[in-house]
Amino acid sequence: DVKVTQSSRYLVKRTGEKVFLECVQDMDHENMFWYRQDPGLGLRLIYFSYDVKMKEKGDIPEGYSVSREKKERFSLILESASTNQTSMYLCASSPIFPPYEQYFGPGTRLTVT
Amino acid sequence: AQSVTQPDIHITVSEGASLELRCNYSYGATPYLFWYVQSPGQGLQLLLKYFSGDTLVQGIKGFEAEFKRSQSSFNLRKPSVHWSDAAEYFCAVGDQAGTALIFGKGTTLSVSS
Repeated sequence: DVKVTQSSRYLVKRTGEKVFLECVQDMDHENMFWYRQDPGLGLRLIYFSYDVKMKEKGDIPEGYSVSREKKERFSLILESASTNQTSMYLCASSPIFPPYEQYFGPGTRLTVT
Repeated sequence: AQSVTQPDIHITVSEGASLELRCNYSYGATPYLFWYVQSPGQGLQLLLKYFSGDTLVQGIKGFEAEFKRSQSSFNLRKPSVHWSDAAEYFCAVGDQAGTALIFGKGTTLSVSS
C-alpha cells in the first residue's frame, strides 16, 4: 500500500515564524503535491514537483516555497507565517503513468496566531 | 480549462438506503476521473478511478461510479449506506499530462438512523 506521511498532524505557530511542513512517501513516486484545504473553497494546489529539485507553481503559491532534495521527501515552507495561512495542508504523491492517481497523507492542521 | 462541479453541498441519507452523489466535469478530451472520501480531520482516500474501458467502475467499500461521456458526468453510487459512510466526498478530474488534479468542492454525506 502507498503510504504518505506528514511530519505533524497539528501545528501552532506565531505570525512571522518560518514554518516547515514535511512530507514523505514510500512508493518511489516521481510526482508530489502540496494542497491547502479550506471550508467552502475545497482543495487548492500550492506547488507540485515532478522530480528532485524540480517544482512548478500551482494556483496559490504566494507566501509559500518548496524543497525537494530527495525523491521521497517534499517540504512546504512558509517563509513568514501569517494568520491567513491557517488551514489544513495536504501532501500527495502520484506515479508518472496514467491515470496518475494521487495518494494523500493525513494532513497537517496549521494554526497561525 | 478543466473544472469539476458537485451540485450537492450536503446530502442526508437513511442508513440502508441507496446513495448517489453527482459529479459533472468539463474537459476537452477523455478525462481521468476519481472519487475520494475524507473522514473528519483525515486525509483523502481514493475510492475509485476511471481512465478507460468499462464505464462502470467498482471501488472500495462497496462504491461504484459510472462515466457518462454524453452527460459529462461521473456519479458515485452505493446500494446500501452504512453509518460509517458519513464523510465528505470529492470528485476530481485529471488531464493527460498527469499534473495536478482538479477537485470539486465536495459533498458532505450525513447518515441518519
